[in-house]
Amino acid sequence: EAQVTQNPRYLITVTGKKLTVTCSQNMNHEYMSWYRQDPGLGLRQIYYSMNVEVTDKGDVPEGYKVSRKEKRNFPLILESPSPNQTSLYFCASSWGQGANEQYFGPGTRLTVT
Amino acid sequence: SQQGEEDPQALSIQEGENATMNCSYKTSINNLQWYRQNSGRGLVHLILIRSNEREKHSGRLRVTLDTSKKSSSLLITASRAADTASYFCATVNRRALTFGSGTRLQVQP
Repeated sequence: EAQVTQNPRYLITVTGKKLTVTCSQNMNHEYMSWYRQDPGLGLRQIYYSMNVEVTDKGDVPEGYKVSRKEKRNFPLILESPSPNQTSLYFCASSWGQGANEQYFGPGTRLTVT
Repeated sequence: SQQGEEDPQALSIQEGENATMNCSYKTSINNLQWYRQNSGRGLVHLILIRSNEREKHSGRLRVTLDTSKKSSSLLITASRAADTASYFCATVNRRALTFGSGTRLQVQP
């Protein structure tokens, strides 16, 4: 089944404790991206990647890192999480070099205390 | 900054009625996409319209795009209770995707 998976689905952590949210897709998509969703603000793009070893900042990259060492994986790294990074995070992927039809993962609800 | 802004923020209709949602954006785009989200879940792609297209249909969905006014509309005809969800437009400029804050649609059975 074609899908985007994220882990973990729920995470409660403390300020400053490094964490990684994994994202994997099995559709051989070139384009992958991360979004955060906050009430009243919709979805905001954090980072995107057009292919292996090619990443670029979205609208809200501060406090986040990404890497794209393999085509199927695009982990999101929070080196030193802060409470303002409490949010619902989505990973998505699409074919091609641009932002075409996005396939979304189920989401990761992160709480930073 | 948010590129797409949906209007209205919330819409409540009766089953069988049509629902229209609008999206306005600020800069030039490559394409515009509409997505649906059931509460707390991942978004599902509905339709993509390219900047050189004016109208597109998919089942009960009709999307229009007016690049001169920088606006798009999504029409859902003969709505069903199962259409209850949040709907988002997303604009694509080069390779970045920017979502609006969404329209919450409630279809009363």
